[in-house]
Amino acid sequence: DTGVSQDPRHKITKRGQNVTFRCDPISEHNRLYWYRQTLGQGPEFLTYFQNEAQLEKSRLLSDRFSAERPKGSFSTLEIQRTEQGDSAMYLCASSPRGQGTSYNSPLHFGNGTRLTVT
Amino acid sequence: DQQVKQNSPSLSVQEGRISILNCDYTNSMFDYFLWYKKYPAEGPTFLISISSIKDKNEDGRFTVFLNKSAKHLSLHIVPSQPGDSAVYFCAASALFAGNTPLVFGKGTRLSVIA
Repeated sequence: DTGVSQDPRHKITKRGQNVTFRCDPISEHNRLYWYRQTLGQGPEFLTYFQNEAQLEKSRLLSDRFSAERPKGSFSTLEIQRTEQGDSAMYLCASSPRGQGTSYNSPLHFGNGTRLTVT
Repeated sequence: DQQVKQNSPSLSVQEGRISILNCDYTNSMFDYFLWYKKYPAEGPTFLISISSIKDKNEDGRFTVFLNKSAKHLSLHIVPSQPGDSAVYFCAASALFAGNTPLVFGKGTRLSVIA
C-alpha cells in the first residue's frame, strides 16, 4: 500500500497562469476527493468522484477549476487563470466506499500540493 | 456558517497527562464523526471515528465521546506523549442523509511538553 500520492508537492506560479495537479489514489479505492486547505483553516471540500463519475462539486469550485478522473484511477485538478486567492494546500483523498465495503470507511489523504500564486 | 467548530486553536499539556480536545457541530443531520491528526508538511491522518449510534469509542490511548443532545464531541488522549504534538481536526458527515462529504473544523494545535 503506497498510500495516496500527489504531484507536485509544491508549485509556484504567476497570476494568470494555468496549473494542473495530479493525484494517484490507493489502487483499490473507488472514491476520490479533492479538498483545499488555507492557513488557519481545516480542509474544505471541493469535489469528489466515484470511479470516473464526478458526483458532487462545492460552491468553492469556480468555473476556473476543473477536475477529471478519466479512467477511474488517477485524477487531475486544473486551475485556469490563477489568482492570488488560489494559494493554498490542495489535498487529495481516497476511500474504498462502495458496495461491499463498510459505509464508515475514513478518507486517506495524500500529502498535498502547496500552490503559491505570486 | 461553520458547521463544525473547534473553539480552541491551541492546547498545551504535560507529557503523561490527559489531553482533551473539543468539537461542536450545528448540523443535526451529521451522524458520523472522525478525528484526524496532521503533522507539518503531511496530509491529515485518520485517528478514530464514532457513529451516532454510539456515545463512546476507544482505541488504545484515544477515546472519542459523543453527546448528541449537546451536539458535542471530544477526543481524550491519555497518557499524552510528545509524539502526539500535532494539529487535530474534527470532521463530520451525514452518511444516512446521502453520504455527504466530510466537513472539517479549523483544528486545534496540541503541544505535549516533556
